[in-house]
Amino acid sequence: DAKTTQPTSMDCAEGRAANLPCNHSTISGNEYVYWYRQIHSQGPQYIIHGLKNNETNEMASLIITEDRKSSTLILPHATLRDTAVYYCIVRSRNTGGFKTIFGAGTRLFVKA
Amino acid sequence: AAGVIQSPRHLIKEKRETATLKCYPIPRHDTVYWYQQGPGQDPQFLISFYEKMQSDKGSIPDRFSAQQFSDYHSELNMSSLELGDSALYFCASSLWGTGDSVEQYFGPGTRLTVT
Repeated sequence: DAKTTQPTSMDCAEGRAANLPCNHSTISGNEYVYWYRQIHSQGPQYIIHGLKNNETNEMASLIITEDRKSSTLILPHATLRDTAVYYCIVRSRNTGGFKTIFGAGTRLFVKA
Repeated sequence: AAGVIQSPRHLIKEKRETATLKCYPIPRHDTVYWYQQGPGQDPQFLISFYEKMQSDKGSIPDRFSAQQFSDYHSELNMSSLELGDSALYFCASSLWGTGDSVEQYFGPGTRLTVT
């Protein structure tokens, strides 16, 4: 699976949009981009995933560049409860189960 | 909606003892994954099972073993515990997948403390 690079930490004001970038320049055509987050000592939580089109769900939006070498997770109106470590993961589109390889994510601090 | 259930949530053991962690996947999920997260570290994949067969293996010590049962629940058995085994242990579950994307759902974790 391709390697990802994320900022170590970011701050965001409560109520503002949080934009978390991820670089995955070696991504291949059959690899999805997944985002998970982990609130302190809780189990990682699935947020969203995409292949090449932008995706939106009730939690977030995922913007993938046309060349697929980078993506941005957008939390439209960040709240204090969104403070967490956010992991960007690239995983191949194969039949079967997938292990998740967590790299060093981005620690997002949402401040009042 | 039902989530992944792990038990116990907290466990304290002494060195050289054994521990068994249990995981009950989301109903209809047939694949189970185990992860270990040491203090200040990111989760690390240990092992996974599909239909009672080991499907993948990560950095799981030889002192650890796991299995999946016919009702899809899984148990992680840890023997000769060491201080370094103190960690959060997460179980995740998913459907095996049919060539499309697969979402994993994680349990709340078991915090193991070895003294």
